[in-house]
Amino acid sequence: GAGVSQSPSNKVTEKGKDVELRCDPISGHTALYWYRQSLGQGLEFLIYFQGNSAPDKSGLPSDRFSAERTGGSVSTLTIQRTQQEDSAVYLCASSPDPTYTYEQYFGPGTRLTVT
Amino acid sequence: AQSVAQPEDQVNVAEGNPLTVKCTYSVSGNPYLFWYVQYPNRGLQFLLKYITGDNLVKGSYGFEAEFNKSQTSFHLKKPSALVSDSALYFCALSGTGRRALTFGSGTRLQVQP
Repeated sequence: GAGVSQSPSNKVTEKGKDVELRCDPISGHTALYWYRQSLGQGLEFLIYFQGNSAPDKSGLPSDRFSAERTGGSVSTLTIQRTQQEDSAVYLCASSPDPTYTYEQYFGPGTRLTVT
Repeated sequence: AQSVAQPEDQVNVAEGNPLTVKCTYSVSGNPYLFWYVQYPNRGLQFLLKYITGDNLVKGSYGFEAEFNKSQTSFHLKKPSALVSDSALYFCALSGTGRRALTFGSGTRLQVQP
């Protein structure tokens, strides 16, 4: 079946502009995660959605970052007033079960470059 | 706070030889441990997990991992390496109260023909 998809695959933006990154999880998966992968920081958790519950935003690095998940499916990660340190690969993952024990399925990522 | 350590940035092994990629962890309560592999310009691909039960876990592509509670380790192993195993490997942890994964820094595995 279809895996997690993300768009765009690459995004180049100028410093100070806003960007939106999209994630389509696997159909039926209730849990959705955003992570960031960068050379200096490795793989970092950003935000987690589970069903209709309030998201866990504890990993967002600043208030320039926000995310929403519409209808329990598609999610959009928005970065406002981008900075060069925001350059990274943004990975989305989904899981069919919100417990701690279930593996997550990752999308191919969006490579963001801020010039 | 929970953490994962992968002490080796890179592991080099000859094709056909056994390989080990090391991982240690720290967490309060029960650990739920995972290994993922990342090929160039690709997302992370799940290999195997330890939740409970048998300390030796078998996963995809002939990989296995051994959970050792006393040493807080979860090393990834394969009896006979292939050139196609060359990739970036991540150990990850989730635990009670934190569903998101905490990742190690990654280990690059290079298998030489």
